[in-house]
Amino acid sequence: GENVGLHLPTLSVQEGDNSIINCAYSNSASDYFIWYKQESGKGPQFIIDIRSNMDKRQGQRVTVLLNKTVKHLSLQIAATQPGDSAVYFCAENMRGSTLTFGKGTMLLVSP
Amino acid sequence: GAGVSQSPRYKVAKRGQDVALRCDPISGHVSLFWYQQALGQGPEFLTYFQNEAQLDKSGLPSDRFFAERPEGSVSTLKIQRTQQEDSAVYLCASSLATGNTIYFGEGSWLTVV
Repeated sequence: GENVGLHLPTLSVQEGDNSIINCAYSNSASDYFIWYKQESGKGPQFIIDIRSNMDKRQGQRVTVLLNKTVKHLSLQIAATQPGDSAVYFCAENMRGSTLTFGKGTMLLVSP
Repeated sequence: GAGVSQSPRYKVAKRGQDVALRCDPISGHVSLFWYQQALGQGPEFLTYFQNEAQLDKSGLPSDRFFAERPEGSVSTLKIQRTQQEDSAVYLCASSLATGNTIYFGEGSWLTVV
């Protein structure tokens, strides 16, 4: 396949800012969506999920928004901290089948 | 255990060598998944078990890759006659049941030289 290299989309923010990470998913039949955070050298860590019968879900400092019309998912992180620096992946799932991951976005938080 | 446990964490194999990667899912989790993650990429699905049954192996890249979960708990991913393109992180994940949250382990980092 095509080698897309190591150049992930990158979002750079200052500590304390709000961050918004976007994701376009591919399958209109997907009914479950998850955001994962992956720090260097570690496995993906669950952040928040949302099912297709909802358009918004809030957690601690994080909010996920789902727009099924345009197949778009976003992750909002409030008061971003240096510890939030990582690669963020959205993943979609259809009727309990396997997860399909997006390409990932690197979040860099400056103190 | 508290989370998904994988071993070894790091493995360097000579080209042509066979390797076995182990996954201990979260206790009681029925579903178990293997993913492959190349550097700078998102995880790619390899195979899925529900208890001891391998329900989907469509992501295995070749017949050199084999996975098993004989007693419905621990799983092993085996790669025969490793090649350089097999170098990647192999992630194991588990969930309580189909449709529940999927939790990942830290991965086994395989380098084939």
